[in-house]
Amino acid sequence: QSVLTQPPSVSGAPGQRVTISCTGSSSNIGAGFHVHWYQHLPGTAPKLLIYDNISRPSGVPDRFSGSKSGTSVSLAISGLQAEDEADYYCQSYDNSLSGYVFGTGTKVTVL
Amino acid sequence: QVQLVQSGAEVEKPGASVKVSCKASEDTFSNYYIHWVRQAPGQGPEWMGVINPRIGSTNYAQKFLGRVSMTRDTSTSTVYMELSSLRSEDTAIYYCARGTLGLNWFDPWGRGTLVTVSS
Repeated sequence: QSVLTQPPSVSGAPGQRVTISCTGSSSNIGAGFHVHWYQHLPGTAPKLLIYDNISRPSGVPDRFSGSKSGTSVSLAISGLQAEDEADYYCQSYDNSLSGYVFGTGTKVTVL
Repeated sequence: QVQLVQSGAEVEKPGASVKVSCKASEDTFSNYYIHWVRQAPGQGPEWMGVINPRIGSTNYAQKFLGRVSMTRDTSTSTVYMELSSLRSEDTAIYYCARGTLGLNWFDPWGRGTLVTVSS
């Protein structure tokens, strides 16, 4: 059901850098719609991490960064910390569905 | 701090309806949109639709047309999402989230309401 594809899991040791990809199609990311990223710890409200591909809301550490190339976008977490262990989702808009779409989700594990 | 406060967990039988509430501040209610997103176990989030609380206009995802209804109560700054003809696949956590006209992200989100559909 998810329109955007992410790797199921990524892991890294504390202090390392990990990246999460988000791949879409010509009706969403490829059509130029921005991508946004959320961090979600089960039982809590999802938190906006990156908006408009690369922008960080105030209060989000600069260890989190977003990038975009063609129909693929990525979220990078540098200087990985134990508190970064969570699920991460990308989100965009799809003009063939006329609605918002999410990624399949990636679980980040800090080793 | 902007907050969206959702109602508690619900258990419903197949074929029944469920109505979930999301209480917002007056500022959010008057100046923003409220989206509904659900997440079934083991799946990614799924957008269900959006309501403009100020005027009550709605836009529903194609998948839920005919089964979902989003309404609001202006006296309590509360938005409601009702899903009918429930089936087991509707078991999920339902979130409300604030949106802004022209901006395609959601911030903040409510903590979610677990809806379990079981006979």
